[in-house]
Amino acid sequence: KAGVTQTPRYLIKTRGQQVTLSCSPISGHRSVSWYQQTPGQGLQFLFEYFSETQRNKGNFPGRFSGRQFSNSRSEMNVSTLELGDSALYLCASKSTSAGTKEEQFFGPGTRLTVL
Amino acid sequence: LAKTTQPISMDSYEGQEVNITCSHNNIATNDYITWYQQFPSQGPRFIIQGYKTKVTNEVASLFIPADRKSSTLSLPRVSLSDTAVYYCLVGPVERNSGNTPLVFGKGTRLSVIA
Repeated sequence: KAGVTQTPRYLIKTRGQQVTLSCSPISGHRSVSWYQQTPGQGLQFLFEYFSETQRNKGNFPGRFSGRQFSNSRSEMNVSTLELGDSALYLCASKSTSAGTKEEQFFGPGTRLTVL
Repeated sequence: LAKTTQPISMDSYEGQEVNITCSHNNIATNDYITWYQQFPSQGPRFIIQGYKTKVTNEVASLFIPADRKSSTLSLPRVSLSDTAVYYCLVGPVERNSGNTPLVFGKGTRLSVIA
């Protein structure tokens, strides 16, 4: 099975711009979560989608949004970029079938740099 | 979600057993303990998960005392490739709902020295 894929892997934007990141979960996985990782704050939960519905949301401003499509692929959008949004953005997918190990599979991440 | 406390960093020589302890005093009855490993510029990777007593897999062992207020990840005979950040997470596991956000702390940076 192919793992979680994220595109693009690297991105450079300037303040005020907006950005869209994409995540394709493992085939059959219906839960997709997004995380932001920075040296200062560590790994922080952004939001989780399950069957196209947002199930959980972390403590981030409304500039951060996401969505999930019927094929479970997910996108996250950050509007009006700030320097502090520079981070590694990680996507994780999870199988929600009964009896499976409760682990999330992470993608390689998208490294966003805001200048 | 229960807060976790781990050492910020640890050093070990190759071939030694490494034990990383995590404190979670406010763990709830339906909380599980999960450990992840993260290499630089990669996403975290699931290592092991448990509820009580001892769990062992091909990578590590997880020891959980009866009061479940702490847990210890044990890595047998570490090698240089085990150098990574190890995260301890505590939270409920709800099967069939996907409703289990992970809360990562700062983790423990393990450095394995030759």
